[in-house]
Amino acid sequence: QLQLQESGPGLVKPSETLSLTCTVSGGSISSSSYYWGWIRQPPGKGLEWIGSIYYSGSTYYNPSLKSRVTISVDTSKNQFSLKLSSVTAADTAVYYCSGSGIDYWGQGTLVTVSS
Amino acid sequence: DIVMTQTPLSSPVTLGQPASISCRSSQSLVHSDGNTYLSWLQQRPGQPPRLLIYKISNRFSGVPDRFSGSGAGTDFTLKISRVEAEDVGVYYCMQATQFPHTFGGGTKVEIK
Repeated sequence: QLQLQESGPGLVKPSETLSLTCTVSGGSISSSSYYWGWIRQPPGKGLEWIGSIYYSGSTYYNPSLKSRVTISVDTSKNQFSLKLSSVTAADTAVYYCSGSGIDYWGQGTLVTVSS
Repeated sequence: DIVMTQTPLSSPVTLGQPASISCRSSQSLVHSDGNTYLSWLQQRPGQPPRLLIYKISNRFSGVPDRFSGSGAGTDFTLKISRVEAEDVGVYYCMQATQFPHTFGGGTKVEIK
């Protein structure tokens, strides 16, 4: 059973880069059985898919965020990460990492964009 | 982008009674590989979402059999045969047939 845990700063200043890490346990991040992704949820609102990365290294991003998003994998640490640049208040949300699409979810981490 | 539209927005249900949620996509969700990547998720208050149903009608591991999914093409339904107190929360449909993956706006299930 995969388990995922997000980590990173809970407060980011406007125009800076949001950086989050997802640590995976119970499975290898290099396995072809899984792919990894990020999804976010603004307070009191619905879910928004941010992007995914596959074991081949291929990445797919939401076009609404594509110019600002990077998802990458660190196989040595069994982690994958999210970077979102030039953040504004509209990026304030709970950020979830997910495994194998939406089969497995982390608990989520609230990131607030504020000066 | 494929737009996912859920109805109703809210569903007050009596304990032990059935509930039904509809999800409609703006275009067919049949993938070129023949599969339809339509899933249903449950989000209990204060919790992360949890996968209930994948590829229209397949229950994920550990999901009670009172949850069932059906549909085809652009119209899909999630049914709860007998609502229990633990089923309170928001339910989302999601399509993963085409990038970007997109979610419905959510349906809140609450007890009358």
